[in-house]
Amino acid sequence: TQLLEQSPQFLSIQEGENLTVYCNSSSVFSSLQWYRQEPGEGPVLLVTVVTGGEVKKLKRLTFQFGDARKDSSLHITAAQPGDTGLYLCAGFNAGNNRKLIWGLGTSLAVNP
Amino acid sequence: KAGVTQTPRYLIKTRGQQVTLSCSPISGHRSVSWYQQTPGQGLQFLFEYFSETQRNKGNFPGRFSGRQFSNSRSEMNVSTLELGDSALYLCASSLEGRGFNQPQHFGDGTRLSIL
Repeated sequence: TQLLEQSPQFLSIQEGENLTVYCNSSSVFSSLQWYRQEPGEGPVLLVTVVTGGEVKKLKRLTFQFGDARKDSSLHITAAQPGDTGLYLCAGFNAGNNRKLIWGLGTSLAVNP
Repeated sequence: KAGVTQTPRYLIKTRGQQVTLSCSPISGHRSVSWYQQTPGQGLQFLFEYFSETQRNKGNFPGRFSGRQFSNSRSEMNVSTLELGDSALYLCASSLEGRGFNQPQHFGDGTRLSIL
């Protein structure tokens, strides 16, 4: 069974701090997606990483896919209250009946 | 471009009843997936429909069923509701394409509460 473990599960920080959340697996994925979900809404896609070692930046967010395509990280620089939400990673393996494997998420609270 | 629309947004039912939830995907999207989200279990995949056919199924009991219509709209039904079915039910649509790396576009969900 493929599993994606996200850490930390909860994170509460002050505005302006930096943070990193992790998404780890023992399985190899064809691609990995990161989503952010705000209360009362559905998840919204932030980025998809496909190539091992790939780094993508989205303003203050930096996403990295591990060289072996088994893990990924999300780094936020100078966090703002608007970054508050649940961050979810989802791994896709084309050989796994096309299902997305979801992590449980990291709940981030950025306090002003 | 309209997003994924789920109705109703909130629903309260009692044990033993059944419920039908509706999802209208983004225009042009032919794949519709359903998920159950709870604080303890996270997002759990229920099933995926493509061209009116169930293409993938998660590990849920037969009380959970779905269907997709020719216009790609989808419904899911839960029969004989149990307290543990209380959750946020999310629908997501995506384009079909090679590589299957298409992102999921989610609706805002239906919050189902079982009393």
